[in-house]
Amino acid sequence: EAGVAQSPRYKIIEKRQSVAFWCNPISGHATLYWYQQILGQGPKLLIQFQNNGVVDDSQLPKDRFSAERLKGVDSTLKIQPAKLEDSAVYLCASRTYRDRTYEQYFGPGTRLTVT
Amino acid sequence: ELKVEQNPLFLSMQEGKNYTIYCNYSTTSDRLYWYRQDPGKSLESLFVLLSNGAVKQEGRLMASLDTKARLSTLHITAAVHDLSATYFCAVPRGAGGTSYGKLTFGQGTILTVHP
Repeated sequence: EAGVAQSPRYKIIEKRQSVAFWCNPISGHATLYWYQQILGQGPKLLIQFQNNGVVDDSQLPKDRFSAERLKGVDSTLKIQPAKLEDSAVYLCASRTYRDRTYEQYFGPGTRLTVT
Repeated sequence: ELKVEQNPLFLSMQEGKNYTIYCNYSTTSDRLYWYRQDPGKSLESLFVLLSNGAVKQEGRLMASLDTKARLSTLHITAAVHDLSATYFCAVPRGAGGTSYGKLTFGQGTILTVHP
């Protein structure tokens, strides 16, 4: 079974520029998450999708971040304009129900550096 | 607001020694997850603990959950260099339905095993 795919793996941009990340979850997984992991911290949830609908975006800085999952499969996360504090690894995860619980599977992440 | 705290945050061990990582959380939850993250890599699921008193073991790692104390432990037996990584515990927020499973992560414990 293929895992969660993300691209690009690395991105360096200047502040005030825009950037987009792409995620392809594991086939059949209806729930998709985007996390932000700042160096030295645990991942922080930004947004959760169920199919193509947003379940929770309470921690997404909506003035600069946006995300979509138009056809309920792939998802994109955009930052516009980027700030220095957005430097982090952006992780995508998808979820399935297995062995009496939900399990999340994480992609390799996109490391963003804002200069 | 759910808070998840791990200690220690940094752990330097000699090969062959035993040690325990602690994970405390602030609100009621009946399950807890442990993940491993190697430098520059994504998160790998280690254990899913589903109920009070749950204990799971894999190789030199053993995890347990006490939901009444809101405490989980990850015990390392006879450490080897290959166990060097960052270990995260995570607790789901909410209950039931599509919102269930939003994870709050601890800060992570950076484990270094020396020869």
